[in-house]
Amino acid sequence: SAVISQKPSRDICQRGTSLTIQCQVDSQVTMMFWYRQQPGQSLTLIATANQGSEATYESGFVIDKFPISRPNLTFSTLTVSNMSPEDSSIYLCSVVVGGITDTQYFGPGTRLTVL
Amino acid sequence: GNSVTQMEGPVTLSEEAFLTINCTYTATGYPSLFWYVQYPGEGLQLLLKATKADDKGSNKGFEATYRKETTSFHLEKGSVQVSDSAVYFCALSDEVYTGNQFYFGTGTSLTVIP
Repeated sequence: SAVISQKPSRDICQRGTSLTIQCQVDSQVTMMFWYRQQPGQSLTLIATANQGSEATYESGFVIDKFPISRPNLTFSTLTVSNMSPEDSSIYLCSVVVGGITDTQYFGPGTRLTVL
Repeated sequence: GNSVTQMEGPVTLSEEAFLTINCTYTATGYPSLFWYVQYPGEGLQLLLKATKADDKGSNKGFEATYRKETTSFHLEKGSVQVSDSAVYFCALSDEVYTGNQFYFGTGTSLTVIP
């Protein structure tokens, strides 16, 4: 398994501003994912961030709105840019660990409220 | 394509009642199947998994059996507790050439009352 931490755990932001969410893993992992979970909804994959390559975005998500960095095998950031109230969600990072490529482990999430 | 269909909630049970949350899937390959649990204010935690047909995953009194013939992975617990109140997500992982792709159900909210 993996221990994953996220910062901040929650934030309240003003419309038009940007927030960068950090995800730290206690071991080196190749595959890292960013999800959005809107209130009462399931998870929606935003992008896959593999170290050493550009992030791959899912349909409906673009790099200008959700830029991602993956500088090494234990860390990633997701920025939510030019926020609007519709961006209010829980943002989750997850990883796939070692040789167990079919199991994801999740961080505790960042609860974002945009006013 | 791949998808997961999960029983809609919310589900409310009395303590010590029997729990079943239905999950069915469609997949093009031979997926692994999972149940994740999300307690209030927390992220998702892996509850149990099964990687091939007829496997049974179990953890904390919860069980689910991978049924290929009915494409199902129903979650069961014989006697629920108040502490089991959470949202439960069924998920599958299908191996593709670029790695694995993951699909989640919509989640089922469970409330257990004393």
